[in-house]
Amino acid sequence: AQRVTQPEKLLSVFKGAPVELKCNYSYSGSPELFWYVQYSRQRLQLLLRHISRESIKGFTADLNKGETSFHLKKPFAQEEDSAMYYCALSGRGNKLVFGAGTILRVKS
Amino acid sequence: DAGVIQSPRHEVTEMGQEVTLRCKPISGHNSLFWYRQTMMRGLELLIYFNNNVPIDDSGMPEDRFSAKMPNASFSTLKIQPSEPRDSAVYFCASSLTTGVGEQYFGPGTRLTVT
Repeated sequence: AQRVTQPEKLLSVFKGAPVELKCNYSYSGSPELFWYVQYSRQRLQLLLRHISRESIKGFTADLNKGETSFHLKKPFAQEEDSAMYYCALSGRGNKLVFGAGTILRVKS
Repeated sequence: DAGVIQSPRHEVTEMGQEVTLRCKPISGHNSLFWYRQTMMRGLELLIYFNNNVPIDDSGMPEDRFSAKMPNASFSTLKIQPSEPRDSAVYFCASSLTTGVGEQYFGPGTRLTVT
């Protein structure tokens, strides 16, 4: 079965502090992992994908197959990072399985 | 391109009434997805279509829910009869079949069933 777990419903950090949004997955094959973000009053949109190995808006995520994790990290949080973040997995077919989401609040 | 279009944006209805949500995918996209978002369960896939054909409807909660895609530019999600526990935000998304992971979401329809 394909499953994505985001253990934190809410993560609150101060501006300038490091951020780590946790994501663990369950999948028997070779998954593709993604992070989606939903800013206030905006549409849900793709933030980054593990195969690209890119940094978007200062965020990075490394796929750790041993720990079945794909945590999202940023060294210095900014207020505009406040949003809902979803981790997603693509296994068979082109559908995505999403985690429950984590609200990130960056306080000034 | 205006992106994925959903209507209505807000719907308030009484228990037992029929509700129809509409979606227009991005032109040229051949995959369409319906999701439900709640605080408790996050984002759940209800059903998805490839080339207008339903591929996986295992996420549809029960027989009260049905979805159709009569052509490449239009899809509906119907709830009949509606119940208060159906209250949620319903999203439609589209993608290219080959574009794994890159789904483009609509603004959502916020449904309230009283």
